[in-house]
Amino acid sequence: NAGVTQTPKFQVLKTGQSMTLQCAQDMNHNSMYWYRQDPGMGLRLIYYSASEGTTDKGEVPNGYNVSRLNKREFSLRLESAAPSQTSVYFCASSTGDGIDGYTFGSGTRLTVV
Amino acid sequence: LAKTTQPISMDSYEGQEVNITCSHNNIATNDYITWYQQFPSQGPRFIIQGYKTKVTNEVASLFIPADRKSSTLSLPRVSLSDTAVYYCLVGGEGATNKLIFGTGTLLAVQP
Repeated sequence: NAGVTQTPKFQVLKTGQSMTLQCAQDMNHNSMYWYRQDPGMGLRLIYYSASEGTTDKGEVPNGYNVSRLNKREFSLRLESAAPSQTSVYFCASSTGDGIDGYTFGSGTRLTVV
Repeated sequence: LAKTTQPISMDSYEGQEVNITCSHNNIATNDYITWYQQFPSQGPRFIIQGYKTKVTNEVASLFIPADRKSSTLSLPRVSLSDTAVYYCLVGGEGATNKLIFGTGTLLAVQP
């Protein structure tokens, strides 16, 4: 089925370790986004990519980096994980023209100990 | 970006119609209004989108008054499976199309 695929689904890291969350979409969407969601809270935008080759900061970018590898793929990297980064991470994509909204992946549940 | 305000929670019973209202006083001319549904441990799912007046699909209806400063999501005859968090967002085309999610409305449907 077409959609947004995130890997891994679960991950446990030790403080200070690094990792990359992968996201790929097969809908030929221009824009891609990374959000985090903490318990009982809404989603907060970390970074977004309006089009291939561009990335911009969202609400909570500190401690993260992103790469728009090509039109399909948008990765999120934690260089030195901290317990405050324990969260569920969602990747999303959209056409970028404001029509038909976002398509979200199923999420990556990250725990930093 | 337009900020949205919606109730934190609502309660309903199976078979009732539920209306969730969202205010967005600073909506821009080219902004669409979009509603999402999120179940626990899942990503949000697109429900419905509109620009003005009324939009209806197989899941819900969206009512938007002429001034577009608010919108109402209407869920007909809810069931237990409609228990979820509902988010209202506004956003449009261009570099600012990075929709900001609020805390949403937790709808609890009881038998």
